[in-house]
Amino acid sequence: AQSVAQPEDQVNVAEGNPLTVKCTYSVSGNPYLFWYVQYPNRGLQFLLKYITGDNLVKGSYGFEAEFNKSQTSFHLKKPSALVSDSALYFCAVRGPLSGNTPLVFGKGTRLSVIA
Amino acid sequence: DAGVIQSPRHEVTEMGQEVTLRCKPISGHDYLFWYRQTMMRGLELLIYFNNNVPIDDSGMPEDRFSAKMPNASFSTLKIQPSEPRDSAVYFCASLVGTSGTNTGELFFGEGSRLTVL
Repeated sequence: AQSVAQPEDQVNVAEGNPLTVKCTYSVSGNPYLFWYVQYPNRGLQFLLKYITGDNLVKGSYGFEAEFNKSQTSFHLKKPSALVSDSALYFCAVRGPLSGNTPLVFGKGTRLSVIA
Repeated sequence: DAGVIQSPRHEVTEMGQEVTLRCKPISGHDYLFWYRQTMMRGLELLIYFNNNVPIDDSGMPEDRFSAKMPNASFSTLKIQPSEPRDSAVYFCASLVGTSGTNTGELFFGEGSRLTVL
């Protein structure tokens, strides 16, 4: 079975500092990994995905994520946080052998960037 | 593209009343998903469709919940009768699948916030 763990419910970071939101996954075979962001009273928005290729994936709003197969992780990063990055972040996974099954989402991590 | 459109954005109703939530997926997308989001349980998949056919409804909480997709551009999620514990934000999402496994990203609507008193 596929699963995603986001070990931190809340991450606080000062504006201008680098941020990391952690995600680990469990899936059979090579994973398809995604990050989504949810701003208050909005739907989830796609940030980036890893399917194959370069382990460092760049996405929207200056975010990037690093796929680490040995650690089964896909942490979201940004070199310099903005107050406007404050939101709820979801990691999601699907296995390549899963056919057309839906994504499995983590519980979400709330990021708070403090000015 | 207008994106995934959901209505109503907010619904307040009394226990026992019927609630109908609506969704228009992005044109050309052949998969449609209904999710529910609460503080306690996070994001839960309720049901999903492929080419208007329900594929998996194992996430539907109970028989009070039903979903339909009469055509490629419209889906409804109905709760009858509604209960206070149904209060949540309900999201519709769509994607375009490829043959075999799909790697495409989900596109979410803005959600319907339901409050059952």
